[in-house]
Amino acid sequence: QKEVEQDPGPLSVPEGAIVSLNCTYSNSAFQYFMWYRQYSRKGPELLMYTYSSGNKEDGRFTAQVDKSSKYISLFIRDSQPSDSATYLCAMSGWGDTNAGKSTFGDGTTLTVKP
Amino acid sequence: KAGVTQTPRYLIKTRGQQVTLSCSPISGHRSVSWYQQTPGQGLQFLFEYFSETQRNKGNFPGRFSGRQFSNSRSEMNVSTLELGDSALYLCASSLRGTSGASYNEQFFGPGTRLTVL
Repeated sequence: QKEVEQDPGPLSVPEGAIVSLNCTYSNSAFQYFMWYRQYSRKGPELLMYTYSSGNKEDGRFTAQVDKSSKYISLFIRDSQPSDSATYLCAMSGWGDTNAGKSTFGDGTTLTVKP
Repeated sequence: KAGVTQTPRYLIKTRGQQVTLSCSPISGHRSVSWYQQTPGQGLQFLFEYFSETQRNKGNFPGRFSGRQFSNSRSEMNVSTLELGDSALYLCASSLRGTSGASYNEQFFGPGTRLTVL
C-alpha cells in the first residue's frame, strides 16, 4: 500500500465551480503537506504548503490538513480554464533522514471547461 | 533569477545502454533531488545530494546513481537501461534540502523525457 493515496480523477468541471482534491496518508512522520500543479510537459510547481492541521488560504486556493484523520484537501474556488492541470499532493518529514525527499500522490487531472 | 535547468530535454536510448542526465540548480541552492515520474508509479524519489554528498536515497536499484559537483550541479546516471526506465526524470533544487523549523521549498526543473526502446 502506498504511503500517500490521492483521489485519481480525472475531474471535469464547468468554469466557476468549486473543486475539491483529496489525499490520505499513512506515515505519521509527515510534517509538511504540499500541493503542486503540473502542466503538460512541465515540472511540478508548488501551489501551497501547510505545516499544521487547519486551513490555509491563498487567493482562490484553500489547503486543509487534518492530521488526526491523516487527510488533506485542496479547494479551488471560482475555477478557471487556466486551472486545468494535474494536481499532486506531496508530503515530507523533518531532518536529514528525510533530506530533499517528498512523497507524492499519483495526481488528479483537472479540466475546467469554459 | 534563472530556474532549474535540465539537459537534455528528450532522449531516446536502447536497452542495455547507459545514460547521463544533467541538472543545474537555482543559483545559491545547494540541495538537488532527483525524481522519476511514470504513469504507473507516479513521482518517486531517487536520491538527494547536498554539498557533493548523497544524503538520502529512494528504493531504486544500483543501476541508478548520481553525483554532485562543487558548483552544486548534479548528474544522474542509469546503466544497463531497461524498458521500464522510460520516464520523465525531474530534478528539484532547494536551499538546504532538510525541513526543520521552516519549510524548505523545492523548485522543479522541466524534466528530461527518457524513452528506452
